[in-house]
Amino acid sequence: AQSVTQLGSHVSVSEGALVLLRCNYSSSVPPYLFWYVQYPNQGLQLLLKYTTGATLVKGINGFEAEFKKSETSFHLTKPSAHMSDAAEYFCAVSDARAGGTSYGKLTFGQGTILTVHP
Amino acid sequence: SAVISQKPSRDICQRGTSLTIQCQVDSQVTMMFWYRQQPGQSLTLIATANQGSEATYESGFVIDKFPISRPNLTFSTLTVSNMSPEDSSIYLCSVYDYGGLANSYNEQFFGPGTRLTVL
Repeated sequence: AQSVTQLGSHVSVSEGALVLLRCNYSSSVPPYLFWYVQYPNQGLQLLLKYTTGATLVKGINGFEAEFKKSETSFHLTKPSAHMSDAAEYFCAVSDARAGGTSYGKLTFGQGTILTVHP
Repeated sequence: SAVISQKPSRDICQRGTSLTIQCQVDSQVTMMFWYRQQPGQSLTLIATANQGSEATYESGFVIDKFPISRPNLTFSTLTVSNMSPEDSSIYLCSVYDYGGLANSYNEQFFGPGTRLTVL
């Protein structure tokens, strides 16, 4: 079974400040990890993903995340927040094993709403 | 990347009725999924839509309530049956690419969602 915990349902930062959204996962199998963003009244957009290889992954809009297996974490960061970053962010995990019963299925965290103040 | 469209984009329905949501993908994909996002909550997987066979449902979801069709590799429907206000949610279909689309390895694409309100 897999699960995702996002610490903090709401995060507020000032424009230009560091953005840090926390995600911890639990998985009994090798995981693939994802961050999605959802703007108000819009669908989900993939920010970045970790599958294999480099544990520091870079995504769109200046976001990056680091997979830390020892800490079972995949925190999302951005050095300088912009007003347009205000949205809800979801961390998700899936089974990395091709042919596994959960392959391709995403388990989402509860989401973190990011507010950016001028 | 895969382009996914859903119809309708939103609807307001009366309790006891049923609504069928369509999901169309612009390329052939093996794996299609249906998710539900209840108000203020995260996404929960309803089922995997399998081409040529019955859908595989997650715990807490049953075929009688959420019948799914998958007649080919580019199309699927989800029906929300005998609706109640608790079914008010956004329903999203998604497709999973594990290598078939250039630059999209192991990426899941989501449709824009269908916002359902049940009165």
